[in-house]
Amino acid sequence: AQSVSQHNHHVILSEAASLELGCNYSYGGTVNLFWYVQYPGQHLQLLLKYFSGDPLVKGIKGFEAEFIKSKFSFNLRKPSVQWSDTAEYFCAVNPYTGNQFYFGTGTSLTVIP
Amino acid sequence: GAGVSQSPRYKVTKRGQDVALRCDPISGHVSLYWYRQALGQGPEFLTYFNYEAQQDKSGLPNDRFSAERPEGSISTLTIQRTEQRDSAMYRCASSLGGYTDTQYFGPGTRLTVL
Repeated sequence: AQSVSQHNHHVILSEAASLELGCNYSYGGTVNLFWYVQYPGQHLQLLLKYFSGDPLVKGIKGFEAEFIKSKFSFNLRKPSVQWSDTAEYFCAVNPYTGNQFYFGTGTSLTVIP
Repeated sequence: GAGVSQSPRYKVTKRGQDVALRCDPISGHVSLYWYRQALGQGPEFLTYFNYEAQQDKSGLPNDRFSAERPEGSISTLTIQRTEQRDSAMYRCASSLGGYTDTQYFGPGTRLTVL
């Protein structure tokens, strides 16, 4: 069965610190990759997505992610976090052959002002 | 425009009762997804509709769970003979087209089975 691993469950950073959240998946075929964010009291929303092409994708609010096929990874990065980035972050994988989306368990990010 | 809405937002029921959860997608969105999210976990795929056709129900945990979207718009997820383990947040998402399009999530329905 496909699985998505987010190894960082809780991350606490000070403002202006750099962020990297890990995401690894187990699926041998072609995949589409996503990062979603859920701000406190809000709905899940898309941060960025990768389908093909340049493995470095840029999303909203200064976030980016890099797809490394050989490592089955899609890590999320931001050079300098803000207090407003405090949220839950979910990595998701969509195998190219289907409509299922597999989410990781999420990483809770707290940014201290 | 209006986003995805779900009702009720909270549902408390007794074990053995049936529940129906409603999802109203964004107007014109072809695709509709249902997910279940347990506390501390990520969303778990349940089922997918393309218009009114349920094209994938591989994530439904057992035959007590069913879903429909009869007119290709509003969808209902029904859980029969609820059990305590069914307690979770049930999320609905819609997208304009297929899996390459952005999914817009609703606020979810928090189901508690006593």
